[in-house]
Amino acid sequence: DGGITQSPKYLFRKEGQNVTLSCEQNLNHDAMYWYRQDPGQGLRLIYYSQIVNDFQKGDIAEGYSVSREKKESFPLTVTSAQKNPTAFYLCASSVNSYNEQFFGPGTRLTVL
Amino acid sequence: KQEVTQIPAALSVPEGENLVLNCSFTDSAIYNLQWFRQDPGKGLTSLLLIQSSQREQTSGRLNASLDKSSGRSTLYIAASQPGDSATYLCAVSPPLNDMRFGAGTRLTVKP
Repeated sequence: DGGITQSPKYLFRKEGQNVTLSCEQNLNHDAMYWYRQDPGQGLRLIYYSQIVNDFQKGDIAEGYSVSREKKESFPLTVTSAQKNPTAFYLCASSVNSYNEQFFGPGTRLTVL
Repeated sequence: KQEVTQIPAALSVPEGENLVLNCSFTDSAIYNLQWFRQDPGKGLTSLLLIQSSQREQTSGRLNASLDKSSGRSTLYIAASQPGDSATYLCAVSPPLNDMRFGAGTRLTVKP
């Protein structure tokens, strides 16, 4: 089955901890994205990567970090510097930057 | 900076009704516009993609139109069903990446 997977589905973090959200795709897409969704708001772009070993900040990159060591994988780390990390995180991929984006099922992060 | 607005924020209709969801954007220099469906607690499912050179796209009971010059898109749903209940989001892609999303319209179709 081709698609995008995210894990875990639910994640709980204590204050001061770093956590890493996984995103994997087997669609052979070059571009991958991380979005944050808060209730009643549209998705906001955290980071995106157009190609392996390259990534750019989106609108709300502060307190987050990413890596793109493999084409299939684009993990997102939520660091302790992110002051309000409780949200729904969505990963997406596309053939390239100008094509239709396909989304994973999301990870809900809650800070305890 | 591109801003995307969806009106109404919520809509409730009886089953069988035809309905229109609206999306407006402030900068007409877009590469494409995409409509998505999101069920509660789930990811986004792509419904229709309209390239900037196109005026509309159709898939089954769904028809999306695009008027770049006026910064508007509509999603028409024919013969609505309870299974259509979800949040519908539109998003625009400018020529240099960075897709912008509206906040969505939450649709409820009552049996």
